[in-house]
Amino acid sequence: QKEVEQNSGPLSVPEGAIASLNCTYSDRVSQSFFWYRQYSGKSPELIMSIYSNGDKEDGRFTAQLNKASQYVSLLIRDSQPSDSATYLCAVSGYALNFGKGTSLLVTP
Amino acid sequence: SQTIHQWPATLVQPVGSPLSLECTVEGTSNPNLYWYRQAAGRGLQLLFYSVGIGQISSEVPQNLSASRPQDRQFILSSKKLLLSDSGFYLCAWSLLEGSFYGYTFGSGTRLTVV
Repeated sequence: QKEVEQNSGPLSVPEGAIASLNCTYSDRVSQSFFWYRQYSGKSPELIMSIYSNGDKEDGRFTAQLNKASQYVSLLIRDSQPSDSATYLCAVSGYALNFGKGTSLLVTP
Repeated sequence: SQTIHQWPATLVQPVGSPLSLECTVEGTSNPNLYWYRQAAGRGLQLLFYSVGIGQISSEVPQNLSASRPQDRQFILSSKKLLLSDSGFYLCAWSLLEGSFYGYTFGSGTRLTVV
């Protein structure tokens, strides 16, 4: 069974701070990695994808990938209360494998 | 642009009753389609996926089944629901086979079996 591990949280950060979310995966042959945001009661929404080692920035979001360490992270700069949600890490296989998600709470 | 529709949004069903959830995709042809379930405290679990009409792969043996009668239609069914079938059911699609480019999810159906 291919594993995708995330700390369940909740991770609490003050408004304006940087939120750091982490994910590890077990399948060394995985080639693509995703971060989904899921608001309570809603479906997951794709916010970032990353395919090669290093950093990828999109607005306030930065995804980081280290294939040697089998580690993916998501940084959210200038966190806003509207960022409060569960963040799901997903790793490619023959189908997407998801972690259980990390709950993020941004406090005003 | 492509859109994915799921219905109903919520459903409360008694144990032993049948189930039919429907998912349709608009704006594309020959999508790959997926059914996931998200139970409380658990991650997203892949139930079924389909790469074409009549082609269904099952990931989890259980009392659920899936069908794809048309190119852009995916149906999840059960003849007799169990309490353990409660959860948030999500349909997703992708253009290419496999998961390289990620999936787009529908709005989901929250099923409560009572």
